[in-house]
Amino acid sequence: DVKVTQSSRYLVKRTGEKVFLECVQDMDHENMFWYRQDPGLGLRLIYFSYDVKMKEKGDIPEGYSVSREKKERFSLILESASTNQTSMYLCASSPGRGRANVLTFGAGSRLTVL
Amino acid sequence: KQEVTQIPAALSVPEGENLVLNCSFTDSAIYNLQWFRQDPGKGLTSLLLIQSSQREQTSGRLNASLDKSSGRSTLYIAASQPGDSATYLCAVSSQDQAGTALIFGKGTTLSVSS
Repeated sequence: DVKVTQSSRYLVKRTGEKVFLECVQDMDHENMFWYRQDPGLGLRLIYFSYDVKMKEKGDIPEGYSVSREKKERFSLILESASTNQTSMYLCASSPGRGRANVLTFGAGSRLTVL
Repeated sequence: KQEVTQIPAALSVPEGENLVLNCSFTDSAIYNLQWFRQDPGKGLTSLLLIQSSQREQTSGRLNASLDKSSGRSTLYIAASQPGDSATYLCAVSSQDQAGTALIFGKGTTLSVSS
């Protein structure tokens, strides 16, 4: 079964810490995405990548960066975590151009920043 | 900017009822529309994808329709079961480009009582 795997289901960090959220997909997908999901706000796109070493800002990139050194791995980095970054983070992937872009999501990473 | 709205935000029905969830979008120039299911604390599972050239898609007891010109989609669930209880989200893809991201509605939370 194809999968998107997020390395941590639950994390608790302190304000100012550097946080890494890892996402790996085994479907040879070209596109990968990071969303955050908050009550009342729905899913909001942080960053996405359509190729290795490529990245595009989504709707709310401030306070975040990403890294895609290998096709299967897309990392979300919080350089200095803040309490307003407490959220559920969802990684997704989809095939590339010319193929139906059905998104496959990981199980999510719930981050609490104290 | 594309906006996606789902009404109602929450819905409670007794087991066995047929029901319709609604999704509307402001820009009719979409590439496709997807319906997802999300169980509490979990990631999203893709249910149905409708390409912009299609009018509907069916999977088991689920039927999704698309009316691009009016900016509307519906998800019809036949003979609802308690196991259908979840949040249902629709999302649209506005461009046929590599790496294009989905724009999500905030979801309808469905509760089916036995």
